[in-house]
Amino acid sequence: AQSVTQPDARVTVSEGASLQLRCKYSYFGTPYLFWYVQYPRQGLQLLLKYYPGDPVVQGVNGFEAEFSKSNSSFHLRKASVHWSDWAVYFCAVSMNSGTYQRFGTGTKLQVVP
Amino acid sequence: NTKITQSPRYLILGRANKSLECEQHLGHNAMYWYKQSAEKPPELMFLYNLKQLIRNETVPSRFIPECPDSSKLLLHISAVDPEDSAVYFCASSWTPNSDYTFGSGTRLLVI
Repeated sequence: AQSVTQPDARVTVSEGASLQLRCKYSYFGTPYLFWYVQYPRQGLQLLLKYYPGDPVVQGVNGFEAEFSKSNSSFHLRKASVHWSDWAVYFCAVSMNSGTYQRFGTGTKLQVVP
Repeated sequence: NTKITQSPRYLILGRANKSLECEQHLGHNAMYWYKQSAEKPPELMFLYNLKQLIRNETVPSRFIPECPDSSKLLLHISAVDPEDSAVYFCASSWTPNSDYTFGSGTRLLVI
């Protein structure tokens, strides 16, 4: 069955520093992968999505992610974090067979001066 | 977020019955109800695809979904329990495996 794991419950970075949030997936078939962000007291918003093709996908607000079949990973990256990036980030996976998305447990990002 | 509207935004209940409403203006075929408790990821409660309920997780029978048309979703709640206190999100997508658009949520507090 498909599943996704976010090993880091909480990540703290300095403003202006680079960021990587980790996501590992397991699946049978061709995965579709997503990153969502949830700001306080709001719903989830799509940051970026991967459908089979270029392994590096660009998202909003300078975020990007890289699909790795060999490592079963879909890590989220940003070159320079801003204080407004303080939020919870969710990784999700579905499959081309049409199954619904499974969400990871989320990573809370804290940005310090 | 005017693409998906949810009402009410806040709801405080004793053991009364109430319905949550959701409407999407995206023309999507699939709609979902999610429950999110504090510091937890969203949990899928119900999924409608082309108005047909095709997934129903182990949700208490006091929660009853309804999909009156392809753009609207209702969640009827009866005799709520304190464990039901959470944020309930509506979401929609073209297909169950494509990206989802979420509403702003209904915050339910059971007293």
